[in-house]
Amino acid sequence: KQEVTQIPAALSVPEGENLVLNCSFTDSAIYNLQWFRQDPGKGLTSLLLIQSSQREQTSGRLNASLDKSSGRSTLYIAASQPGDSATYLCAVLNSGGSNYKLTFGKGTLLTVNP
Amino acid sequence: DTEVTQTPKHLVMGMTNKKSLKCEQHMGHRAMYWYKQKAKKPPELMFVYSYEKLSINESVPSRFSPECPNSSLLNLHLHALQPEDSALYLCASSQTTGTQYEQYFGPGTRLTVT
Repeated sequence: KQEVTQIPAALSVPEGENLVLNCSFTDSAIYNLQWFRQDPGKGLTSLLLIQSSQREQTSGRLNASLDKSSGRSTLYIAASQPGDSATYLCAVLNSGGSNYKLTFGKGTLLTVNP
Repeated sequence: DTEVTQTPKHLVMGMTNKKSLKCEQHMGHRAMYWYKQKAKKPPELMFVYSYEKLSINESVPSRFSPECPNSSLLNLHLHALQPEDSALYLCASSQTTGTQYEQYFGPGTRLTVT
């Protein structure tokens, strides 16, 4: 059974700092990995999708890397802003028989202080 | 348009009530999903529809009954729920259930069972 772990569980940084969020997964037979952002009481916003054959993806100030063989991914946020404050979730797509299933980590709660 | 809409935003129901949650997307996606998210926990997959057919049921109790009347619409019918079913119910869609496609989430319905 796939297990996804995110470290740290919570992170508080001053505005402008660069930061790294970590995600690890136990079953490296994944098809892709997605990073999401969730604001309190809201739905999920997809940030980046990395296919299993890719090493990284970039979108604006966000850069996500994937090391499938070691079961790790990182999300790098450059020049953090108060508006980046949210919970960041990592999710991996595995095969479940003839279907595919997304398994989520518990998330990292990020607070960026002005 | 990458929007998934869900109604209602909030729902309070008694244990003897029957209610329905609605999810809609107009992106031409042929896979739609229901997730349940308890407070401070990651989303958990409940159901997957692929081309309007139920393809995954994650051993969800029968008091939750999904329905996909057409390719744009997904319903979740609720009956005789328990207080522990109170949660944020999230709908998502993707182009298909193929591994290369990211999932787009709606804002969720906050359900409280009294």
